[in-house]
Amino acid sequence: EAQVTQNPRYLITVTGKKLTVTCSQNMNHEYMSWYRQDPGLGLRQIYYSMNVEVTDKGDVPEGYKVSRKEKRNFPLILESPSPNQTSLYFCASSVNGANYGYTFGSGTRLTVV
Amino acid sequence: GQQLNQSPQSMFIQEGEDVSMNCTSSSIFNTWLWYKQDPGEGPVLLIALYKAGELTSNGRLTAQFGITRKDSFLNISASIPSDVGIYFCAGPTGNQFYFGTGTSLTVIP
Repeated sequence: EAQVTQNPRYLITVTGKKLTVTCSQNMNHEYMSWYRQDPGLGLRQIYYSMNVEVTDKGDVPEGYKVSRKEKRNFPLILESPSPNQTSLYFCASSVNGANYGYTFGSGTRLTVV
Repeated sequence: GQQLNQSPQSMFIQEGEDVSMNCTSSSIFNTWLWYKQDPGEGPVLLIALYKAGELTSNGRLTAQFGITRKDSFLNISASIPSDVGIYFCAGPTGNQFYFGTGTSLTVIP
C-alpha cells in the first residue's frame, strides 16, 4: 500500500531532550515536507526537500533540523525541544512538486513539558 | 509567508444541506488544492485546480478556481455525516506549499 509512515504517533518529552521523528514513504516521491498543525493556524511548513541532500526552510524552521540522506526517509530532529514546539506534526511526500499536492502521514502528536 | 484565509471558520449544518466555503489569498496562485482532514488523521487531497475559472467536481464536491487567481471555492451538496472534518485550501508558491486556516464542518444527523 502506498503510504507515508511516521513514528511515533504520540510522544511526551521533557524540555531540552533531543528527539527524532521518523518519516518514510514507499512511493519513490522526490519531494518531502514537514508541517506542524496548531489550532487556528492551519498547517505551517517547517522544512521541505526536493531530492536527496536537497533541503530548504519553510515558514517555521526555528528549532528544527532535517536530513535527506535517502530518497524514502526524511526525519525531523528537535535538538533541544521547548514547550512551544508542542504540536501535531505531519510528514508528507509528493511525486514531482507541490503543484500535484502532497500525500500525508497520520501525524505525530508531540507534547514537550 | 503566504496567508490563506478561509471562511467560515466553522459550520454546523443539518444532514442533507448544501455547504459552501471559500479561501482567499493576498497574492496570486497558479494552483489551488482542497484537502479534507478527518479527526486524528492527516489531510487527504480532494480536488486540484490548475486554471483560472476552472470548475472541477469529485462526487458531491465541486471546487472553483477564482478568476482573479486569489481565491477558490468549495461546495458540498447534500451533506452526509461522513463529511465531518476540517477542510483546507492549499497552494504552492515556488517550492513551498501553503495551507489555509481551515473550515471545520459538523453535520448534524
